[in-house]
Amino acid sequence: DTGVSQDPRHKITKRGQNVTFRCDPISEHNRLYWYRQTLGQGPEFLTYFQNEAQLEKSRLLSDRFSAERPKGSFSTLEIQRTEQGDSAMYLCASSSVGGDRYGYTFGSGTRLTVV
Amino acid sequence: AQSVSQHNHHVILSEAASLELGCNYSYGGTVNLFWYVQYPGQHLQLLLKYFSGDPLVKGIKGFEAEFIKSKFSFNLRKPSVQWSDTAEYFCATNTGNQFYFGTGTSLTVIP
Repeated sequence: DTGVSQDPRHKITKRGQNVTFRCDPISEHNRLYWYRQTLGQGPEFLTYFQNEAQLEKSRLLSDRFSAERPKGSFSTLEIQRTEQGDSAMYLCASSSVGGDRYGYTFGSGTRLTVV
Repeated sequence: AQSVSQHNHHVILSEAASLELGCNYSYGGTVNLFWYVQYPGQHLQLLLKYFSGDPLVKGIKGFEAEFIKSKFSFNLRKPSVQWSDTAEYFCATNTGNQFYFGTGTSLTVIP
């Protein structure tokens, strides 16, 4: 068990470009979450998967954001037509059933900078 | 919606000093409460959690927190901090699978 892996660790992109991030959860965890963290703030919920089904989405997740989890394993988060306000740390976490009571395991995050 | 607030944004302590970081939650019903820590350059890690039972919860690395329902508080404590405790500390609560984090408290421990 190597924990939750996120790739890339850092991404610099020009405004208007599309970016995609990947998250590999702990293998036996069936739940996967995406959060966004900006400077001076705590993580904010974006979306949640149970297996391959996307069960919850935050209003923060605009139409430019899409997340997938094909086959219930790894997940991708795509941001289309990036804006400077998208600059943040994007965190992935995973849990087994009961994660709402026992907490998640977080990855190290992907830091996105939009220039 | 549920929320938590952390009033200490930056705390600086000398080694061996005692620590208490404040956390207040908004929801009046049954709550699950958590403290996470983020060491420099590392991922968020769970320090401790409370969802029922003994209101004094002990976590890893000598940390503890006390759930006081009458005060809507879940303050984090450690009797004697070490330089290695320098980190960002986040209080959190949740509704189902959606967690709500506080803005965090940055702790700097001076050797």
